[in-house]
Amino acid sequence: GDSVTQTEGLVTLTEGLPVMLNCTYQTIYSNPFLFWYVQHLNESPRLLLKSFTDNKRTEHQGFHATLHKSSSSFHLQKSSAQLSDSALYYCALSDPAGGYKVVFGSGTRLLVSP
Amino acid sequence: DPKIIQKPKYLVAVTGSEKILICEQYLGHNAMYWYRQSAKKPLEFMFSYSYQKLMDNQTASSRFQPQSSKKNHLDLQITALKPDDSATYFCASSQEQTSQNTLYFGAGTRLSVL
Repeated sequence: GDSVTQTEGLVTLTEGLPVMLNCTYQTIYSNPFLFWYVQHLNESPRLLLKSFTDNKRTEHQGFHATLHKSSSSFHLQKSSAQLSDSALYYCALSDPAGGYKVVFGSGTRLLVSP
Repeated sequence: DPKIIQKPKYLVAVTGSEKILICEQYLGHNAMYWYRQSAKKPLEFMFSYSYQKLMDNQTASSRFQPQSSKKNHLDLQITALKPDDSATYFCASSQEQTSQNTLYFGAGTRLSVL
């Protein structure tokens, strides 16, 4: 079945440094949708950005990601971390081969310090 | 105003008892889901419904039974509760159950089984 692998556990950064959270996926389907969801403390997950198009950069709220089907990757980046970026980030995958259900990775917690 | 209402927000239950988690969405969506989040398995897919029909069930145990009395309702009945069932249960919805649709999550029900 479909699976998503993310940077393990906790990533700690100093404010102002770049953010890079890794995400790779496995699916038999050639045209999956990839998502990044963000969950702040005591809140529910919400969509950050999504993509379907190979090699096209998708941006939202200062974050960006590019789907690379050749390497099955969808890494999340931001040029300069802010304190408010501290949250749990989930990479997720959806495709017809998986019955369209959204499969989430294990999540990466980002902690940005002053 | 929250568009996906989950009740109750917190729930404490004793081992062996039965509880029902309520979910109503007012987004006009046709697909609804249950996800479970715990320290052991972040955001684990449980069920998906589309137009009130069960589409996918990834829950191994029959102790978990979804109930859809109306198009915008998807309750979750849990019987013979165990301490391992302790988790936050998120209800979610999407416009349709397709690859590209964004999931919208409710605030969650935090269940503690003693």
